This record gives sequence, structure tokens and C-alpha cells, in this order.
Amino acid sequence: EPEVTQTPSHQVTQMGQEVILRCVPISNHLYFYWYRQILGQKVEFLVSFYNNEISEKSEIFDDQFSVERPDGSNFTLKIRSTKLEDSAMYFCASLWGNTGELFFGEGSRLTVL
Amino acid sequence: SQQGEEDPQALSIQEGENATMNCSYKTSINNLQWYRQNSGRGLVHLILIRSNEREKHSGRLRVTLDTSKKSSSLLITASRAADTASYFCATDAMKTSYDKVIFGPGTSLSVIP
Repeated sequence: EPEVTQTPSHQVTQMGQEVILRCVPISNHLYFYWYRQILGQKVEFLVSFYNNEISEKSEIFDDQFSVERPDGSNFTLKIRSTKLEDSAMYFCASLWGNTGELFFGEGSRLTVL
Repeated sequence: SQQGEEDPQALSIQEGENATMNCSYKTSINNLQWYRQNSGRGLVHLILIRSNEREKHSGRLRVTLDTSKKSSSLLITASRAADTASYFCATDAMKTSYDKVIFGPGTSLSVIP
């Protein structure tokens, strides 16, 4: 069964460092998303990406964040200068567009020290 | 804000009992979905109900939608210990559709064997 894969599963970084989280969405899907979840709490929407551009972003997704789909398969989230409060699980999801069902990866746990 | 609250925040029941979780939202929607998350894992889609539907069934799951009250409920019948997880509702607003799928705060369900 096709699945969304995310790497790394866990990353530890120092405050102020740049981090890139990678996702490989399901190949024929059209919409791509990043969500954040702090310590098993609410799943917060960060950004959606469609037709090679950002379609929606939340207030969390400030200038420190960026997304890219560089090669038609990978979908990356970059945090330019990490802060302590960026520590969270980051989930990538993709959606084909007709069913409405989001497929999630297993997440990347980011720990900022 | 698009999403409201889910209640209860936590629910503990005995195996075999039914579990009911509720979700409220604020804006007009296209679809409402329910997802499940096992501890430390990604979210898994359970069921989607469209705004013109009132009730939907899938196995032991029953979802209702009341668009006049902007609320939905998820009923899990004959619960099993394996149903222990967090359950989230998610909505996509009519205005933004798949561009922005927002999750509620979730209900943590414990099913005691």
C-alpha cells in the first residue's frame, strides 16, 4: 500500500541552527501539507502546497519556515533558525484531491536544545 | 478560526462499551473527517462525511453531522482495548476547501480490558 515517508524520524539540533525535514508524499497525490504537534497536543496546520506553490499557511508559518518540492517527489520543510519552541513532531500529509482523505507520514520529531 | 472544540477531552470506558466523541466547528464546511492517532504515531483516516450527509457508517464506527449546529459525533460501538488512541475531527472550510484542513484538539480514549 502506498505511504507517505518522512525523514529523519528524530533530529536533535541546537537553537539557531537550520533544519530540513523531508517527506516523500504518495506519488499521484496533488496536495501536500505540513502539520506540527507539540507533546501529543493539538495537530496544528502549518502550510499547504498545491500546483508547485503555497496555497495556504497559518500564522505559525512565519519567515523562518519555507517549503519546497524540488524534484517532483520530495517535499521539504526548512526551519531557518530554530527556536526552543519549535520542538515538536512535524507531520507531512498528502491528498489526491477527490476523496478528501489525508495520508500522514509517521512524523519527524524535532528537539531543539 | 475554523475549528472549535472536541469533547470530552478524555474518555475512559470498559471494553465492550460504546464510546461517543463530539466535535464542533465554526465555519461552513465541505467535509468533516475523523482521524485516529496511536501514541507517537501518525494520524490515520477513519471516515469522511460530506456537508450534505447526515450520517455515515463504517464497521463499528458511526458518524453524524449536524450542519445547523456545526457539530459532529463519532460513535465507536463494542469498543476494544485496541481502540485506545486519540481521535481528532478535521474540517475543510467551504472558502479554502482542501487548501486548509484543520484539526480539533482531540479526544483521548482509553478502553480498559
